[in-house]
Amino acid sequence: EDQVTQSPEALRLQEGESSSLNCSYTVSGLRGLFWYRQDPGKGPEFLFTLYSAGEEKEKERLKATLTKKESFLHITAPKPEDSATYLCAALPGGSSNTGKLIFGQGTTLQVKP
Amino acid sequence: ETGVTQTPRHLVMGMTNKKSLKCEQHLGHNAMYWYKQSAKKPLELMFVYNFKEQTENNSVPSRFSPECPNSSHLFLHLHTLQPEDSALYLCASSQESPQPQHFGDGTRLSIL
Repeated sequence: EDQVTQSPEALRLQEGESSSLNCSYTVSGLRGLFWYRQDPGKGPEFLFTLYSAGEEKEKERLKATLTKKESFLHITAPKPEDSATYLCAALPGGSSNTGKLIFGQGTTLQVKP
Repeated sequence: ETGVTQTPRHLVMGMTNKKSLKCEQHLGHNAMYWYKQSAKKPLELMFVYNFKEQTENNSVPSRFSPECPNSSHLFLHLHTLQPEDSALYLCASSQESPQPQHFGDGTRLSIL
């Protein structure tokens, strides 16, 4: 069964304290791994897509990496405005024509000033 | 307007009411999706439409009825809902997979 698991469920950091969020996946023939940010009362906002193991993408303080079993979202020197829930989703092979994403439960990040 | 727009943002309805949720995308995408987001649970895919044709129904109860008149508009018709259907309903759109999906801000639905 296709599955995506995120850890930790919640993370509290001090401003400037770097850390990583984990997304473990077991899907057949991964076609893409997606990261989203969701603020309270809003829909998920697209951050990154990773298509193959070894690939990395960066945007400001965020860097996403991908292996054959997991993805990491590294946050360098976070600021309070980085506080949000971060969602990971996998697109299994065979679902390319339906876009059937498998989402994890999310990691809620709180960055204190 | 840009992006994906959902209306209404909030909806309270009784179990015997009939209502509809609306989604419109201004991104020129060919695929549209309905998701359900409940507290403490991952996003659940409900329906997928590609070029106005339904390509996925994720075992959704018949009290939820989708409609996609064109590639820019998507509706979710609701009738005889149950209290456990209270949730945030999100619409998304994308180009053909594996392109990323872009989400609206959702409709917060409460069933009395």
